[in-house]
Amino acid sequence: GIQVEQSPPDLILQEGANSTLRCNFSDSVNNLQWFHQNPWGQLINLFYIPSGTKQNGRLSATTVATERYSLLYISSSQTTDSGVYFCARGTSNTGKLIFGQGTTLQVKP
Amino acid sequence: NAGVTQTPKFQVLKTGQSMTLQCAQDMNHEYMSWYRQDPGMGLRLIHYSVGAGITDQGEVPNGYNVSRSTTEDFPLRLLSAAPSQTSVYFCASSYSASGHNEQFFGPGTRLTVL
Repeated sequence: GIQVEQSPPDLILQEGANSTLRCNFSDSVNNLQWFHQNPWGQLINLFYIPSGTKQNGRLSATTVATERYSLLYISSSQTTDSGVYFCARGTSNTGKLIFGQGTTLQVKP
Repeated sequence: NAGVTQTPKFQVLKTGQSMTLQCAQDMNHEYMSWYRQDPGMGLRLIHYSVGAGITDQGEVPNGYNVSRSTTEDFPLRLLSAAPSQTSVYFCASSYSASGHNEQFFGPGTRLTVL
């Protein structure tokens, strides 16, 4: 079946450090999203990025659909960046999202 | 816009009880869905709907029932709650089911079945 694999599973950073999270998927993609699940459990949309590069403040994302991966960059990390980061890919014509297992990020002050 | 709203935020049930988790969106989205999130397992699709009057099963549909009588609402019914249904439930919506649209999630309902 369609696989979504995220790495690393866990990441600990000092405040101010940069990081790169990776998402590999096993099939062609027409919808790729990154979410941040904060410590209160809310799923926050970060990027809708089936291809190309987008930036939003300290965060940016790149999806290379032909090579079946997406990267999420976090620069100058802050303690409020802590939480779990999920990537999810959509399946064609059904709207279903398949989630990776997530990367748990802890940013220490 | 309020986006995707869910009620209640927390619920405790006894085994065998029934209840309905409510989900509503005010974005005129065609597509709505329900996921459950369990520790270490990510989010899994329970049921989804591509429009009013149309529903279909997802990955883990057993023990749950849905209907879609209006575009705005997509309630999830637990017919006879079991401890295995203890989880956090998320409702989501997107403009269409084409797979080319961003999905938005509600705040979640944390359900405990004793």
